[in-house]
Amino acid sequence: SQQGEEDPQALSIQEGENATMNCSYKTSINNLQWYRQNSGRGLVHLILIRSNEREKHSGRLRVTLDTSKKSSSLLITASRAADTASYFCAISNTGKLIFGQGTTLQVKP
Amino acid sequence: GAGVSQSPSNKVTEKGKDVELRCDPISGHTALYWYRQRLGQGLEFLIYFQGNSAPDKSGLPSDRFSAERTGESVSTLTIQRTQQEDSAVYLCASSLVLGGETQYFGPGTRLLVL
Repeated sequence: SQQGEEDPQALSIQEGENATMNCSYKTSINNLQWYRQNSGRGLVHLILIRSNEREKHSGRLRVTLDTSKKSSSLLITASRAADTASYFCAISNTGKLIFGQGTTLQVKP
Repeated sequence: GAGVSQSPSNKVTEKGKDVELRCDPISGHTALYWYRQRLGQGLEFLIYFQGNSAPDKSGLPSDRFSAERTGESVSTLTIQRTQQEDSAVYLCASSLVLGGETQYFGPGTRLLVL
């Protein structure tokens, strides 16, 4: 399966702490994307990292990509209660996105 | 600016009935995608359209599922003879071009088959 697999499935932290989520995949990719979903509805795009990139930053988000290990990580620094959501990685190699099962993050105030 | 819109927001139907879900992509986006998300799961790819090219239907789970797109605008996903296992949120997304680009998602249609 091309499906990305995420780890951990659930994560609970205190406000101000950092949250790290990992994603592994099995095929070659054009890019890997991270999305956020609140309350099981629309997804919001967070960050896209291309296969020739190793690290990317956006605000409090940092994404790394290791194509040799076929893995990526999403780091959210200085977490806030509003960061509570489900986070999905998605790989793209033929146009469509193949999503992982997601990590549910709870940030306690 | 206007994002991706979907209708209806919620749909409750009886097993065996047909349903039609609608997606309005962002204007100017040539690629349009449909995904299904079952409760507590990730998204499953169903189908995508890119301009006038033949759609990639590889994710459609059965011949009860079909989709159409008019040019580079509205798309409809039709599920015939619905089954309880079809209950899910159906999400539509669009992107400027196919692949290598951010996909912008609509709010989804929550389908419940009784």
